Amino acid sequence: NAGVMQNPRHLVRRRGQEARLRCSPMKGHSHVYWYRQLPEEGLKFMVYLQKENIIDESGMPKERFSAEFPKEGPSILRIQQVVRGDSAAYFCASSPGQGVDAFFGQGTRLTVV
Amino acid sequence: AQTVTQSQPEMSVQEAETVTLSCTYDTSESDYYLFWYKQPPSRQMILVIRQEAYKQQNATENRFSVNFQKAAKSFSLKISDSQLGDAAMYFCAYRSGQGAQKLVFGQGTRLTINP
Repeated sequence: NAGVMQNPRHLVRRRGQEARLRCSPMKGHSHVYWYRQLPEEGLKFMVYLQKENIIDESGMPKERFSAEFPKEGPSILRIQQVVRGDSAAYFCASSPGQGVDAFFGQGTRLTVV
Repeated sequence: AQTVTQSQPEMSVQEAETVTLSCTYDTSESDYYLFWYKQPPSRQMILVIRQEAYKQQNATENRFSVNFQKAAKSFSLKISDSQLGDAAMYFCAYRSGQGAQKLVFGQGTRLTINP
């Protein structure tokens, strides 16, 4: 059973471009969480999704950021018109249900130049 | 809102010695979980140990143990017989037992092991 897979591992974007980060949860997991880790800081919650539904997006910036978890395929975190401040490591975690510990992927390091 | 505070940005310990990492948290909830995660240079988040708030007994996993003081809202991690492979960032985290399932993380403690 493969773990949580995130790709790409590293992503470089120029200011103003779009960044698309992908997360394939573990088999049988229908709950996905996205976190952001700025340099030298702890992880900060962004959004919690179940298949086709956003459950909690209280940590998502109001503009430029969106997330989806379609019925088929990976969860996508999309950042439009990236700025230097978006440079961070983005982590995805998945769990099979509420109240069950989530497993983390290895993260995607986004660098905006 | 819940908060988690790690007051030690960096700690160091001699190999084979014991080290304790501190964590305090703030919550008005009675049902919650606490975690310690290890993040080595690979960036992978590795669950080290978890504690259910309703359990009085402190959790233990091999060389890792916690001192859970519920009234004081303190949750420290003790690493015994420190090994070079223990060098990493360590994050304390909180999760509510009801409703929101998100983890709230502290700022982290960088642990260095001296040979």
